[in-house]
Amino acid sequence: AQSVTQLDSQVPVFEEAPVELRCNYSSSVSVYLFWYVQYPNQGLQLLLKYLSGSTLVKGINGFEAEFNKSQTSFHLRKPSVHISDTAEYFCAASNYGGSQGNLIFGKGTKLSVKP
Amino acid sequence: EAEVAQSPRYKITEKSQAVAFWCDPISGHATLYWYRQILGQGPELLVQFQDESVVDDSQLPKDRFSAERLKGVDSTLKIQPAELGDSAMYLCASSPLASGRSYEQYFGPGTRLTVT
Repeated sequence: AQSVTQLDSQVPVFEEAPVELRCNYSSSVSVYLFWYVQYPNQGLQLLLKYLSGSTLVKGINGFEAEFNKSQTSFHLRKPSVHISDTAEYFCAASNYGGSQGNLIFGKGTKLSVKP
Repeated sequence: EAEVAQSPRYKITEKSQAVAFWCDPISGHATLYWYRQILGQGPELLVQFQDESVVDDSQLPKDRFSAERLKGVDSTLKIQPAELGDSAMYLCASSPLASGRSYEQYFGPGTRLTVT
């Protein structure tokens, strides 16, 4: 069964610094990968997705992620963060053609951007 | 921009009481999902509908939880009786794609349930 591991539960960073949020998935079969952001007491908003093609995916708010099949990773990066990026970030995976195409989420990484 | 609507946004109930949550997906979205998100965890799927039919409820605690989507549009999730461990955020999502192709899920704002 597919599983998603987010290696850091909390990431503190100063404003304008770069950040990387790490995500690893388990399944070796064809997989779709996603990053969502959740602000306090709100639902999830899709940041970006990898379905196929280029392994470097660009999303909203200046975020990007790189799909690495050999390392089964899909790390999220931003070269310069803002205070407004403070939120919780979830990595998710879905097996192409798998059971109902359900999303499997990691436990989340809380990004805290400090002035 | 169309959004998934959920109500109520917050609900406080006593254990053993019944509680219900409502979700209105984006118009035209055939697939609807209910997720439970416990504090500090990622969302976990409870039930998935394709139109009015349940396609996956394997993680739904059926002794106390029920879900319906009678006309294939809006949906209700019910808990009876509520237990302390049910305190969580309940998220609804919808997708314009057929079951098995979930890569365009749109989430509502959620209902925060507190059971006392």
